[in-house]
Amino acid sequence: EAQVTQNPRYLITVTGKKLTVTCSQNMNHEYMSWYRQDPGLGLRQIYYSMNVEVTDKGDVPEGYKVSRKEKRNFPLILESPSPNQTSLYFCASSTLAGAGTDTQYFGPGTRLTVL
Amino acid sequence: GQSLEQPSEVTAVEGAIVQINCTYQTSGFYGLSWYQQHDGGAPTFLSYNGLDGLEETGRFSSFLSRSDSYGYLLLQELQMKDSASYFCAVRDHPYSGAGSYQLTFGKGTKLSVIP
Repeated sequence: EAQVTQNPRYLITVTGKKLTVTCSQNMNHEYMSWYRQDPGLGLRQIYYSMNVEVTDKGDVPEGYKVSRKEKRNFPLILESPSPNQTSLYFCASSTLAGAGTDTQYFGPGTRLTVL
Repeated sequence: GQSLEQPSEVTAVEGAIVQINCTYQTSGFYGLSWYQQHDGGAPTFLSYNGLDGLEETGRFSSFLSRSDSYGYLLLQELQMKDSASYFCAVRDHPYSGAGSYQLTFGKGTKLSVIP
């Protein structure tokens, strides 16, 4: 089954404690990205990656890091989480061969609470 | 930068037709997409417009006018299960060549379908 998986699905942590949210896709997609979703603000892109070892900032990259060492994986790293990073996070992937379409496949989401 | 405007809430009656508008201001434009998100769920792709005109997929249609920087999602024969949030999204550049490959989402329109 084609899918994007994220782990963990729920996480409560404390300020300053480094954490990683994993994202993996099995569709051989080149493009992967991370979003955060906050009430009234919609989905905001944090980082995206065009392919292995190619990453770039989205609209709200501050406080986050990413890496793309393998095509299927795109972890999101919060080196020193703060309460303002409490949010719902989504990973998404898509192919680059998207002439005529631009379908993003989203993971199930990770609800993060930073105390 | 990019910005997208869509109504925050819409209410419609079961069986009726509803139109959700999206206007955008972007430095470049490659295509307009629509996503549906039920409460507690992940966004799922609905429709894409790369060129002007109407795209139809079952009960859902999407329209784009690039000269007006405007698009809409049309939902026909509304059903209770259509109650969800709907997001428009714009990519400002095709995947080939230099440029930003950010994907920007609107803040979402919460559709409530009532009996």
